[in-house]
Amino acid sequence: QITLKESGPTLVKPTQTLTLTCTFSGFSLSTSGVGVGWIRQPPGKALEWLALIYWDDDKRYSPSLKSRLTITKDTSKNQVVLTMTNMDPVDTATYYCAHIHTVTPSWDYWGQGTLVTVSS
Amino acid sequence: QSALTQPASVSGSPGQSITISCTGTSSDVGGYNYVSWYQQHPGKAPKLMIYEVSNRPSGVSNRFSGSKSGNTASLTISGLQAEDEADYYCSSYTSSSINWVFGGGTKLTVL
Repeated sequence: QITLKESGPTLVKPTQTLTLTCTFSGFSLSTSGVGVGWIRQPPGKALEWLALIYWDDDKRYSPSLKSRLTITKDTSKNQVVLTMTNMDPVDTATYYCAHIHTVTPSWDYWGQGTLVTVSS
Repeated sequence: QSALTQPASVSGSPGQSITISCTGTSSDVGGYNYVSWYQQHPGKAPKLMIYEVSNRPSGVSNRFSGSKSGNTASLTISGLQAEDEADYYCSSYTSSSINWVFGGGTKLTVL
């Protein structure tokens, strides 16, 4: 059974750096074809893809946020970490991590999400 | 502005069928069979309903079906039930530098 869970601060101040951790079980990020991504959703708005890391450490970023994002993985801990620098109130959103496999490219398993509020 | 265009809202009565469209370009929806659909109830995480245009994951009702024509994908829900009331999002792989795009979401109301 595949599960993912996001963790991190619920409140950050403008200009600070956000660090979110996705801890997963039921699969390994060392298995060929596997990836974990981050997707966010501002309150009342649509989903927005942010970043993705594959089993082979290939990393992809949303071009509009690429300069602010870093995604890494710790295979031994079954974790993926997303950092976003220079946070702004417009970054207030629920942040989800999700599983993807290159054989059937779709976000097939999602974490419960974590709401991050950016405010001074 | 989302990369894929969906109607903001659709509605239908119990038992009826509805279709939600998702329009992209030849770089995403039209260029790949990697369109997926997600159902999201208020306060919940999205749930995969359709992948690779028309495939249903195990456990998803066969009342949900997907199709694609050109740059437009569609999700059809037949035999509407009250529990289908939710937001629905489409997504596609894209050859642009974005990699993955989502639609703006469609709110389904079951009357």
